[in-house]
Amino acid sequence: AQSVTQLDSQVPVFEEAPVELRCNYSSSVSVYLFWYVQYPNQGLQLLLKYLSGSTLVKGINGFEAEFNKSQTSFHLRKPSVHISDTAEYFCAVSDGAGKSTFGDGTTLTVKP
Amino acid sequence: DGGITQSPKYLFRKEGQNVTLSCEQNLNHDAMYWYRQDPGQGLRLIYYSQIVNDFQKGDIAEGYSVSREKKESFPLTVTSAQKNPTAFYLCASSIADNPGNTIYFGEGSWLTVV
Repeated sequence: AQSVTQLDSQVPVFEEAPVELRCNYSSSVSVYLFWYVQYPNQGLQLLLKYLSGSTLVKGINGFEAEFNKSQTSFHLRKPSVHISDTAEYFCAVSDGAGKSTFGDGTTLTVKP
Repeated sequence: DGGITQSPKYLFRKEGQNVTLSCEQNLNHDAMYWYRQDPGQGLRLIYYSQIVNDFQKGDIAEGYSVSREKKESFPLTVTSAQKNPTAFYLCASSIADNPGNTIYFGEGSWLTVV
């Protein structure tokens, strides 16, 4: 069975500071990893995903994530955040069965 | 523009009533999904469909029903058997139900029991 743990439920940060949102996963087979963002009262949209190849994945809005197989992690990072990055972020894992499992989400709040 | 349309955005249900949430997509995707989202929690899969006229239960299917008569439509009925239906419901789709495919989401529907 696959599972996802987002280690921080809330992350407050000041504008222009760097941020890291942490995600650990467990799966018995090869995995595909995703980060989605959800703005208030909206659906989710894809930020980035890891399928194979380079372990550093770049996504939209300046976000990137690094796949670390030995630590079973897929942490999301941004070197300098903006007020508009305030949202909820979900890590998800999908294994060979095709079903995606989502973490509980991390609320990123960017303060001026 | 291509996308997923959910309606209504807000819905109120009385105790004992069935309600149906609409989901339409014009992305020509084969796979469609319904998720439930509660505050502070992740998404939980209710039902999914990989092809027309076929669907499977997800992790929390009890008290819900679906149909997939057309490729572009996947309505969700919340029945009176669902004891705690107040939540945010998200419809989604992907090209096919393969593990590496991106899932595209609608804007969601809020259901409140009054």
